Amino acid sequence: DAKTTQPPSMDCAEGRAANLPCNHSTISGNEYVYWYRQIHSQGPQYIIHGLKNNETNEMASLIITEDRKSSTLILPHATLRDTAVYYCIVRVDENSGTYKYIFGTGTRLKVLA
Amino acid sequence: EPEVTQTPSHQVTQMGQEVILRCVPISNHLYFYWYRQILGQKVEFLVSFYNNEISEKSEIFDDQFSVERPDGSNFTLKIRSTKLEDSAMYFCASRRGGIQPQHFGDGTRLSIL
Repeated sequence: DAKTTQPPSMDCAEGRAANLPCNHSTISGNEYVYWYRQIHSQGPQYIIHGLKNNETNEMASLIITEDRKSSTLILPHATLRDTAVYYCIVRVDENSGTYKYIFGTGTRLKVLA
Repeated sequence: EPEVTQTPSHQVTQMGQEVILRCVPISNHLYFYWYRQILGQKVEFLVSFYNNEISEKSEIFDDQFSVERPDGSNFTLKIRSTKLEDSAMYFCASRRGGIQPQHFGDGTRLSIL
């Protein structure tokens, strides 16, 4: 099962900040949080990842709480093209030294004109 | 920016036939994955591949499935005898290593008749 929980859907007005929450209360100390989005049936698109410090890139900002049990993805100025399903993923490390993703159901973000 | 490419974009096959889905991962990536997504459902992990062998596979990845990296550039998923329930989007992903994220292709839509 996915190690994260997210609200099933959110709306956001175009031009406003979209704040997408994620709970990962069972995360352990060295596990990273990754955010992806999926537009229609396209492949998941990588957005950002982080461990414990806040992160920012050209797409978004990631705020991770001090206890690391939750995080928020922020799209600073949402556009209609940001309408998508957003996935918060804590990767699952494998004994082989690699890792896999277990996807949850994500948050369906609808940006409204 | 380099990307993962998948071919074909849509494959229609008769039940019981063999199908091969092809992927060209990003060139300096070392870890390779297949996921699938049945229409309207979650993205599901199938298999991970590193150093020319399977690292881990899910319960979905039974004896009908196999993966191969035949020539150092392509990464293929073969389904030996397709079933109706194999109809889904199949996504290939690759990553460089360490904490670097997986990058996904846009998928192959497999339709079994």
